[in-house]
Amino acid sequence: DVKVTQSSRYLVKRTGEKVFLECVQDMDHENMFWYRQDPGLGLRLIYFSYDVKMKEKGDIPEGYSVSREKKERFSLILESASTNQTSMYLCASSFSPGQAYYEQYFGPGTRLTVT
Amino acid sequence: AQSVSQHNHHVILSEAASLELGCNYSYGGTVNLFWYVQYPGQHLQLLLKYFSGDPLVKGIKGFEAEFIKSKFSFNLRKPSVQWSDTAEYFCAVRGNAGKSTFGDGTTLTVKP
Repeated sequence: DVKVTQSSRYLVKRTGEKVFLECVQDMDHENMFWYRQDPGLGLRLIYFSYDVKMKEKGDIPEGYSVSREKKERFSLILESASTNQTSMYLCASSFSPGQAYYEQYFGPGTRLTVT
Repeated sequence: AQSVSQHNHHVILSEAASLELGCNYSYGGTVNLFWYVQYPGQHLQLLLKYFSGDPLVKGIKGFEAEFIKSKFSFNLRKPSVQWSDTAEYFCAVRGNAGKSTFGDGTTLTVKP
């Protein structure tokens, strides 16, 4: 069974704080993703990575950065948290042999509240 | 740019009713199409997927979806829903660049 774990289920931070969200997958997947999930807006892609040290911007990268130093770990960084970044953050990974793209496996999510 | 549109935001059905959730996408190239489901308090998980071949795909728990290329659609169906199908359903498209785009989601409530 693929397992995607996220460092925290719930997090409360203050405006202006630097926030780190960690994600680890145990299936040697090449691709990893960060989304935010907001009611009525579905999932919106923040960043994704198709290899170690590689990253691509998604649809809403502003205010976020990412780091992928090891294949199994993908970190999302909020450099200076703001209240409009209060959301549920989902990490996902997928297998990607060659040019094929397979389904994504999701973690349980981190509900971040910025006050 | 690719996009996904789900037609219904909230659907309420009685048990044993038939279900069809609409999904349309826009993308000019070859796509992979997915339906994911999120049961209350659980992770998002794959319901079914289409990569190529037979446009009618079957997934878990009796769900199926039909890819109609000419209509850019990938509608989800189930002939008889159960109370346990209450969940949020997301359609997603993945294009050649590997980026996935999700629809806004449809909340299904099944009344016992």
